[in-house]
Amino acid sequence: DQQVKQNSPSLSVQEGRISILNCDYTNSMFDYFLWYKKYPAEGPTFLISISSIKDKNEDGRFTVFLNKSAKHLSLHIVPSQPGDSAVYFCAASVGNTPLVFGKGTRLSVIA
Amino acid sequence: DARVTQTPRHKVTEMGQEVTMRCQPILGHNTVFWYRQTMMQGLELLAYFRNRAPLDDSGMPKDRFSAEMPDATLATLKIQPSEPRDSAVYFCASGLVRLEGNEQFFGPGTRLTVL
Repeated sequence: DQQVKQNSPSLSVQEGRISILNCDYTNSMFDYFLWYKKYPAEGPTFLISISSIKDKNEDGRFTVFLNKSAKHLSLHIVPSQPGDSAVYFCAASVGNTPLVFGKGTRLSVIA
Repeated sequence: DARVTQTPRHKVTEMGQEVTMRCQPILGHNTVFWYRQTMMQGLELLAYFRNRAPLDDSGMPKDRFSAEMPDATLATLKIQPSEPRDSAVYFCASGLVRLEGNEQFFGPGTRLTVL
């Protein structure tokens, strides 16, 4: 039973446009959500997070939106750059328990 | 520049052999995690430690996998005997327990191939 789902295995976006990566979750107890970015042959790196008491968090070109009623999380990248091409993992946790990860979405930004 | 380090980066072995993967967490972090990444399952949690004590290893096949933290600077994941289905990338991550959220910092991974 997958508690964190990323239903799109891949996404292609043109350079300069907006990239929107989506994530759905089933556990209403999750109170902290994160996005990680992973390049080939490297470990995932932390990108941005949001607490369940907020609905938006912004950091430069990256914005995470949380819709608790829909149990939906999204990451917006504006404008998208070729260097953003990577696999993006959504993750969630309850309190101090380990993160639960989605299976990832591969983003390709085309120049 | 604090980073999680893992050795070896790559390991090719034959079925039945013992494999030991090592991880040095970021100094001061009190929680260490072992994950396995496969195409089918994404990032699966195998085990984690807090203050060197194992808290959960339910993600590991107990008959062949073992995880330990001999000291605060070293975590190990051992597979004995290894099988071809163990082929995957194994990540170690460390973090600090906080009141709000817990980012985890990942090492570069060990790519294991069991022939």
